[in-house]
Amino acid sequence: GQQVQQSPASLVLQEGENAELQCNFSTSLNSMQWFYQRPGGSLVSLFYNPSGTKHSGRLTSTTVIKERRSSLHISSSQTTDSGTYLCALERTNTNKVVFGTGTRLQVLP
Amino acid sequence: GGIITQTPKFLIGQEGQKLTLKCQQNFNHDTMYWYRQDSGKGLRLIYYSITENDLQKGDLSEGYDASREKKSSFSLTVTSAQKNEMAVFLCASSGGNTGQLYFGEGSKLTVL
Repeated sequence: GQQVQQSPASLVLQEGENAELQCNFSTSLNSMQWFYQRPGGSLVSLFYNPSGTKHSGRLTSTTVIKERRSSLHISSSQTTDSGTYLCALERTNTNKVVFGTGTRLQVLP
Repeated sequence: GGIITQTPKFLIGQEGQKLTLKCQQNFNHDTMYWYRQDSGKGLRLIYYSITENDLQKGDLSEGYDASREKKSSFSLTVTSAQKNEMAVFLCASSGGNTGQLYFGEGSKLTVL
């Protein structure tokens, strides 16, 4: 079955609203990463966060290994935040990195 | 810093043709990956390699071959291109003290 599940699959916000994106996994992990991708664009690394909480500007990533979940919080969303957000995990004792199916975010002006 | 270079950026082939994509990295990373991304979808792992001459199958390896002849390069071959093969192929590498993944710009494959 799917090892990495992301929710919601898509999300529409008004500019200024906050977003909470979830990544749930069914396997033990070495690491968790979050990426951003514009339509037709390359992947941009947002966070490398194997555990705990990390902040970068309006973005916060929290990974709780015991609960097998990681979240990405976007505060005060802007139209330029629109795109797809992907989480990826590296399985324990391997170098195998698998991705979730992504959350497509649209922020309206 | 380093860079991952994928060639070609665009590849057009005929159905049934054997097609090869190349990836070079100058991070001196041990591990390299090939992913396939279909339009509007997530990434699926085709092959990865943890060191020179090593190959590990991902979840989508059927119909593909890979080769890691040097630490810095990792190539992917579509053994017999099909029309549903049309996708973007992404190369990545990781290494050092963290497992952080770095991506190339992608190679877009079109099959006529």
